[in-house]
Amino acid sequence: AQSVTQPDIHITVSEGASLELRCNYSYGATPYLFWYVQSPGQGLQLLLKYFSGDTLVQGIKGFEAEFKRSQSSFNLRKPSVHWSDAAEYFCAVGPYNTDKLIFGTGTRLQVFP
Amino acid sequence: GAVVSQHPSRVICKSGTSVKIECRSLDFQATTMFWYRQFPKKSLMLMATSNEGSKATYEQGVEKDKFLINHASLTLSTLTVTSAHPEDSSFYICSATTGTSQWDEQFFGPGTRLTVL
Repeated sequence: AQSVTQPDIHITVSEGASLELRCNYSYGATPYLFWYVQSPGQGLQLLLKYFSGDTLVQGIKGFEAEFKRSQSSFNLRKPSVHWSDAAEYFCAVGPYNTDKLIFGTGTRLQVFP
Repeated sequence: GAVVSQHPSRVICKSGTSVKIECRSLDFQATTMFWYRQFPKKSLMLMATSNEGSKATYEQGVEKDKFLINHASLTLSTLTVTSAHPEDSSFYICSATTGTSQWDEQFFGPGTRLTVL
């Protein structure tokens, strides 16, 4: 079945530590891939997206994500986390034969000083 | 940057009453607005796609008579939950885009928490 999986419901890191949030998808062909962040009291914001080309995508706020076709993954990374990065992160995929977005269930990031 | 507001941010109502939620794009004209529902610990579920001056397109399983959408202008869309019941309690989020699909960059509102007693 087609699906988007974010295996980690909740992640806690120390400020300054590196971060990797996982996202896996299950679709017949490579979909379009997105990462969104939902900060408390604010609307979702697009961090980055992958449509084609270079598999390492740079986004806003110092985030990057790497598309790995062999693993059907699009993991989000940041080398050094800031306290303001504490939020809910959503991976989303756009199946190539639709113009829809399918959101994952989210990963809540908590940052300790 | 592009800003989308929602009003109210939180509403509590009695079962059987109707509730209207407004979504406004404050500094741009939105070709398309989307309405989502977000359950606790769940992902966003698209309810409907709204274009100014035309009828909304509802996703499968969403009752159009229950969730009335009006898109009166390029900056305003409203969602009315009619005859609300406790199972309609949820977090409702709108987004707006100058594009036409969810793949285009969406600017999201902060959401409206609806509680039906």
